[in-house]
Amino acid sequence: QITLKESGPTLVKPTQTSTLTCTFSGFSLSTYGVGVGWIRQAPGKALEWLSLIYWDDDLRYSPSLKSRLTITKDTSKNQVVLTMTNMDPVDSATYYCAHTVSPDHFFDYWGPGLLVTVSS
Amino acid sequence: DLVMTQSPLSLPVTPGEPASISCRSSQTLLHSNGNNYLDWYLQKPGQSPQLLIYLASKRASGVPDRFSGSGSGTDFTLKISSVEAEDVGVYYCMRSLQTPYTFGQGTKLEIK
Repeated sequence: QITLKESGPTLVKPTQTSTLTCTFSGFSLSTYGVGVGWIRQAPGKALEWLSLIYWDDDLRYSPSLKSRLTITKDTSKNQVVLTMTNMDPVDSATYYCAHTVSPDHFFDYWGPGLLVTVSS
Repeated sequence: DLVMTQSPLSLPVTPGEPASISCRSSQTLLHSNGNNYLDWYLQKPGQSPQLLIYLASKRASGVPDRFSGSGSGTDFTLKISSVEAEDVGVYYCMRSLQTPYTFGQGTKLEIK
């Protein structure tokens, strides 16, 4: 059974760096084709894809946020970490991590989400 | 820019009636392997999104057969043959041909 769960600070001050962790079980990020993605959703808004990391350390970023994002994995801990620098109130959103498998690319398992608020 | 346009944005439906949502991509989603990389998700109130349809027409595991997906290239449709109360929520299409993946604006289905 595949599960994912997001964790990290729920309140971040403007200009600070946010570090979110996705802890998962039921699969390994060292398995061929497996990936973990991050998607966010501002209150009342649509979903927005942010980043993706694959088993082979192939990294993908949203072009509009690429300069602020870093995604890494710790295979031994079954974790993926997303770092976002220079946080702004517009980054307030629920952040989801999700499982995917190449080459089909869909997200078949999602975490419950973590609401991050950026405010002084 | 890569844009996914859904319509309608709001969809009131009487239980038992069919429903249809359109999703249009600004670029083709047809890969040389013959697959269309278009997925559909449903986000029920207060929940995480759940996968309904992948590769345009393949139902995800556990998804009722009243849900079906069709289309190719740039135009896609999600159909519900007979809407049930549990189908309420926001439906999103997502382009997954290559990164950056892009979601549509969402279509809110409500029961009349």
